[in-house]
Amino acid sequence: LAKTTQPISMDSYEGQEVNITCSHNNIATNDYITWYQQFPSQGPRFIIQGYKTKVTNEVASLFIPADRKSSTLSLPRVSLSDTAVYYCLVGDGSGGGADGLTFGKGTHLIIQP
Amino acid sequence: EPEVTQTPSHQVTQMGQEVILRCVPISNHLYFYWYRQILGQKVEFLVSFYNNEISEKSEIFDDQFSVERPDGSNFTLKIRSTKLEDSAMYFCASSPTGGSSYEQYFGPGTRLTVT
Repeated sequence: LAKTTQPISMDSYEGQEVNITCSHNNIATNDYITWYQQFPSQGPRFIIQGYKTKVTNEVASLFIPADRKSSTLSLPRVSLSDTAVYYCLVGDGSGGGADGLTFGKGTHLIIQP
Repeated sequence: EPEVTQTPSHQVTQMGQEVILRCVPISNHLYFYWYRQILGQKVEFLVSFYNNEISEKSEIFDDQFSVERPDGSNFTLKIRSTKLEDSAMYFCASSPTGGSSYEQYFGPGTRLTVT
């Protein structure tokens, strides 16, 4: 499992675009990058997953440069309800579905009015 | 949208008592997991389960813990003799077969308080 580094906390304001970067210098060829979101007293929620370049869904975009040593989760036009902890996970998930996820401390994103 | 459900939402028990936490995974998922999160700490993996047997377990998942899929819908975590340090949020998750195991869907959790 590749080690990941992400900021402990970030602040932004409603309506802004927020970019959270995760470093994973030791990412392996078969590894995917996955982001989760967790609100207080709730379970983590899968947001997005990617391997290279850009992935976009209804919630976020994930930008992965060619060297794949980092990735950026982009949240467009955030609102107060986007205040949460965001986790970056890197791994190949090839354990036949049996892999337990290893969560770090994540990035605590605080959105202000 | 299908969801993982967990019951109860909050369980209070005395030290030494047995508790069973219940989960109903998403119906077409075949991989199931338990995690815990002690207040203010990281989410920690406990165990994964597939085809009616444990696939992987962490060091936390010792002999005090067991899991079971007693029927086609429920997935349970039993703690035989609870300790104070078992107080935590316990999350159940499930993953669709054929997909990345990193795409897991978590339930709302059961808050376990051991007194």
